[in-house]
Amino acid sequence: EVQLVESGGVVVQPGGSLRLSCAASGFTFDEYAMHWVRQAPGKGLEWVSLITWDGGRTYFADSVKGRFTISRDNSKNSLYLQMNSLRPEDTAFYYCAKDVGASGTTHFDYWGQGTLVTVSS
Amino acid sequence: SSELTQDPAVSVALGQTVRITCQGDSLRYYYATWYQQKPGQAPVLVIYGKDNRPSGIPDRFSGSSSGNTASLTITGAQAEDEADYYCNSRDSRHNHPVFGGGTKLTVL
Repeated sequence: EVQLVESGGVVVQPGGSLRLSCAASGFTFDEYAMHWVRQAPGKGLEWVSLITWDGGRTYFADSVKGRFTISRDNSKNSLYLQMNSLRPEDTAFYYCAKDVGASGTTHFDYWGQGTLVTVSS
Repeated sequence: SSELTQDPAVSVALGQTVRITCQGDSLRYYYATWYQQKPGQAPVLVIYGKDNRPSGIPDRFSGSSSGNTASLTITGAQAEDEADYYCNSRDSRHNHPVFGGGTKLTVL
C-alpha cells in the first residue's frame, strides 16, 4: 500500500524558516518524480514544487521561487521542502504527492494527508 | 490568478448527469487531469490523460476535451460525489503544473 506521510508543520513567525518532510512507502521511491502542493485553509490547490526521480531537476511556482528548496533522499525514501523567508500568505496545508512518471507530469496518483504550516506573529 | 478557469459551484440532482468544465489556453495542447477532494481529505486522482480512470474510480466519471476546454462528466451523480473538483494541466509559460480554482459540486 502506497503511503505518504508529511511532517514538520508548525506555527512560525514571518521571516522564519521551516523544513517539511514526507516519508514514502509502498512503492519504488527512486523511480518517480515528487511534488509539493499547498492549500490555504478554505482555498484551492496551488502547485508549489517538483523534483525529478533523481533530484537532478527542480521546479518552483513563482510565488515561492528563491525562497523554497525541494530535495529528496532516495536512500531514505524521503522528500523535503525547505521553506525560508516565510510570509503570512504561505500559511497552508502542504501535501506531498507522487507523480505517475519519473520526470514530472500533471498526474499525481497518491497524496499524503498534509501538514499545516501557519505563518503568524 | 490561475491560468485554468473553473466555475466556482455547480449543482446536480441525484442520478442526473453533470459536466464540470475547465478552460485555459494550455488545454489546447495538453490534457487536463481531474482531482476530487472531500472535506478534510486529501485530493484523489479521478481522470488523467485523454479519458483514463485510476483503479477504484467508478466508470460514471469520464473526461473529454475540445479546444481550450476540458470537461469532467459524472453520469448518474451519487450523493458521495459531492466534493470539490480541481483540474490541472501544464502552465503555458513555465511548463510546470497549474491548478484551476476548483468547482464545488452539490448533489441535490
